[in-house]
Amino acid sequence: DAMVIQNPRYQVTQFGKPVTLSCSQTLNHNVMYWYQQKSSQAPKLLFHYYDKDFNNEADTPDNFQSRRPNTSFCFLDIRSPGLGDAAMYLCATSSPHRGSQPQHFGDGTRLSIL
Amino acid sequence: DQQVKQNSPSLSVQEGRISILNCDYTNSMFDYFLWYKKYPAEGPTFLISISSIKDKNEDGRFTVFLNKSAKHLSLHIVPSQPGDSAVYFCAATLTGANNLFFGTGTRLTVIP
Repeated sequence: DAMVIQNPRYQVTQFGKPVTLSCSQTLNHNVMYWYQQKSSQAPKLLFHYYDKDFNNEADTPDNFQSRRPNTSFCFLDIRSPGLGDAAMYLCATSSPHRGSQPQHFGDGTRLSIL
Repeated sequence: DQQVKQNSPSLSVQEGRISILNCDYTNSMFDYFLWYKKYPAEGPTFLISISSIKDKNEDGRFTVFLNKSAKHLSLHIVPSQPGDSAVYFCAATLTGANNLFFGTGTRLTVIP
């Protein structure tokens, strides 16, 4: 089945220690997104790639970076995680070339900061 | 500023009855609306959507109603089943834009 896969499902890192979360997709969608969701809050878009074009949300902290080496993979790098970065991180994909289409989400990576 | 709001954090319904989940939005430019369902430890799963050119879209037990003048949409689930117990997120966007604006979710519990 075509899908969005996030690894790892759970990640624990130390305060200030860089961490990378990964996302892969078999849907061949040209847009990939990273969302941050904290408990009882709405998912918040951090940034997205439209093909190779990177689009950062205005309020995304500089601490968060992303890489998309090819269509299938996208990475979220947190350079110096703080306690406030503990959250669920969701990857999603879509194919807007076919008009309004829903985004398809992975199961997320829950990040804990020690 | 939250552009999409779900004012009911939780809802409990008896099995077989109707579940009605509500969502309000503030941006009149939004023209595409979606509902996602989320089980614990899983990502949101797309459920149903509606374009602003319609006021109703139906898919099996799920119907979404859109009232553009009131900037309000609702999701009706009839009949409700225990497997429908999940968190439901409303989302909105503009055609051609790449970001979804989500509400904070409503936790639906269907009581057997």
